[in-house]
Amino acid sequence: AQSVTQLGSHVSVSEGALVLLRCNYSSSVPPYLFWYVQYPNQGLQLLLKYTTGATLVKGINGFEAEFKKSETSFHLTKPSAHMSDAAEYFCAVSDFPTGNQFYFGTGTSLTVIP
Amino acid sequence: EAGVAQSPRYKIIEKRQSVAFWCNPISGHATLYWYQQILGQGPKLLIQFQNNGVVDDSQLPKDRFSAERLKGVDSTLKIQPAKLEDSAVYLCASSNGQSLNSGNTIYFGEGSWLTVV
Repeated sequence: AQSVTQLGSHVSVSEGALVLLRCNYSSSVPPYLFWYVQYPNQGLQLLLKYTTGATLVKGINGFEAEFKKSETSFHLTKPSAHMSDAAEYFCAVSDFPTGNQFYFGTGTSLTVIP
Repeated sequence: EAGVAQSPRYKIIEKRQSVAFWCNPISGHATLYWYQQILGQGPKLLIQFQNNGVVDDSQLPKDRFSAERLKGVDSTLKIQPAKLEDSAVYLCASSNGQSLNSGNTIYFGEGSWLTVV
């Protein structure tokens, strides 16, 4: 079965600093990986996804993530944090091969300090 | 295009009462999901529909939870009787295909926030 682990339930960064949110997955087959963002009192919005092909995936709002099979990781980064990035971020993996559903991590709350 | 619509957004009920949540997916999306998100946790799938048929309801507590999608469009999730531990956000989502591995994407609604007191 697939699963993801998000290291660090809370991350604080200064405005303009690098954002790094960690996600490690467990899967016996090539995974499909996703990052979602959840702003307060809102639903989840897709940031980016990795299916096949290029291991560096670019998403919305300047975020990107790199699939590293050797490290079983899919960390989310953004070069320069903005106040509007403050939110909850969820990493997810879809089950393979059916791909019918997601398995979400427990989430990382990002705080941006002015 | 319009997103996934959910109502009500917020509901407070006493334990042992019942509650129902409604969801209207994105037009044309055949697959509909209900997720439960408890505070501090990631969303957990409760039930998945493909059109009006159930694909997966293995994590739905069937003694108190029920869901239907009679016409293959909108859906209702019901809890009866509610317990304190049912306090959570209930997220409805839809996708344009059953398999996420085919490049389909899940789109989420804003959620229905339930507090059981």
